[in-house]
Amino acid sequence: EIVVTQSPGTLSLSPGERATLSCRASRGVSTTYIGWYQQKPGQAPRLLIYGVSSRATGVPDRFSGSGSGTDFTLSISRLEPEDFAVYYCQEYGTSQSVTFGQGTRLEIK
Amino acid sequence: EVRLVESGGGLIHPGGSLRLSCAASGFTLRNYWMHWVRQGPGKGLEWVSRINGIGSNTSYATSVRGRFTISRDNAKNTLYLQMNNLRTEDTAVYYCARGDPSFWGLPYWGQGVLVTVSS
Repeated sequence: EIVVTQSPGTLSLSPGERATLSCRASRGVSTTYIGWYQQKPGQAPRLLIYGVSSRATGVPDRFSGSGSGTDFTLSISRLEPEDFAVYYCQEYGTSQSVTFGQGTRLEIK
Repeated sequence: EVRLVESGGGLIHPGGSLRLSCAASGFTLRNYWMHWVRQGPGKGLEWVSRINGIGSNTSYATSVRGRFTISRDNAKNTLYLQMNNLRTEDTAVYYCARGDPSFWGLPYWGQGVLVTVSS
């Protein structure tokens, strides 16, 4: 079973700054299976990125994903107030299961 | 408009059983993989189970395998999660989510239903 580890646990930044969130898989995975989700308090998760770098419908272009092998990154180019939330990396199913990372909390500095 | 509405949650004693339902609308259920994902209080997302469009292929997280059963009734546009032998650690908000035929990801989610396992 793949383990997905996100870092940092909490990231404190100011609006307008660039955010870089990391996700590491315990073994190499196909880029097809890597996604990122945003979750705000009291809401269901929202898919941001699939296939490592493809933005889901309606996601602003300040969100971008990259990576390969075991290391993946979600970048937010210029933080807007609404971007402060928890972000989860997901490995969709290399081994017949789906795995989420533990999340990165992006908070206002 | 795609809509997923979970129901069936509540307070249940350890060792008890509960069946969650997820009513789907705005799309043809049989064409999609469906998932259950849960989130314990103050915790992160935990994938629980998934099922293919015709119900012939299922998989489960290790933490629920042998206790939970995912199923679907495409004629009723409804997804189910039968939860048996519930434990306190199963306390969570349970979300149903829909896959997509062209990529691996979960673009649609319900609002979630709370299951509390406590004596």
